[in-house]
Amino acid sequence: SQKIEQNSEALNIQEGKTATLTCNYTNYSPAYLQWYRQDPGRGPVFLLLIRENEKEKRKERLKVTFDTTLKQSLFHITASQPADSATYLCALDIGNSGNTPLVFGKGTRLSVIA
Amino acid sequence: GAVVSQHPSRVICKSGTSVKIECRSLDFQATTMFWYRQFPKKSLMLMATSNEGSKATYEQGVEKDKFLINHASLTLSTLTVTSAHPEDSSFYICSASSGGAGSDTQYFGPGTRLTVL
Repeated sequence: SQKIEQNSEALNIQEGKTATLTCNYTNYSPAYLQWYRQDPGRGPVFLLLIRENEKEKRKERLKVTFDTTLKQSLFHITASQPADSATYLCALDIGNSGNTPLVFGKGTRLSVIA
Repeated sequence: GAVVSQHPSRVICKSGTSVKIECRSLDFQATTMFWYRQFPKKSLMLMATSNEGSKATYEQGVEKDKFLINHASLTLSTLTVTSAHPEDSSFYICSASSGGAGSDTQYFGPGTRLTVL
């Protein structure tokens, strides 16, 4: 069956360091993969989308990579700040279009310690 | 970016009552809306897909008679939890897609926390 796994449930890092979160998937062939941020008691907020033909994508301090051979995406936050503390979710669109539902990983709860 | 709102943000009700949750796309027309449920420390689980003007498609294990979904316009979908029970207590989140060419992104509402006593 299809599965999305995010490497760890929780990750603690020191302020200023780079946080790296991993998302692995099996039995999918997604055309793209998305990362979301979710704060407690709030809905997910879209961060980045990376397509299968893109190796890397950046947005300010965020960087996402997508390796379709390894079936893995890495999500990096450089120069991390306490305000980056949140749960980060990776998601795949099972139909490869905006009109089909997203399947989410369980998320990694990131805590950036000052 | 596109904005999706949900109302109410929080609701507490007695067991056996029905609760309606609204999901609105504020600055775009949503051909498709999705309803998810999230239990504490768990991932979002899709409940149903709602297309404007047609019946919702429910995921396996989701009772369509218990979770009534109406998508009467391109900016509004409602989820009604009928005869709610404590096990229905959860965080309900909707998302919306404009469905146009290149519209890969879904925009999520802020969620509704339902507590059934």
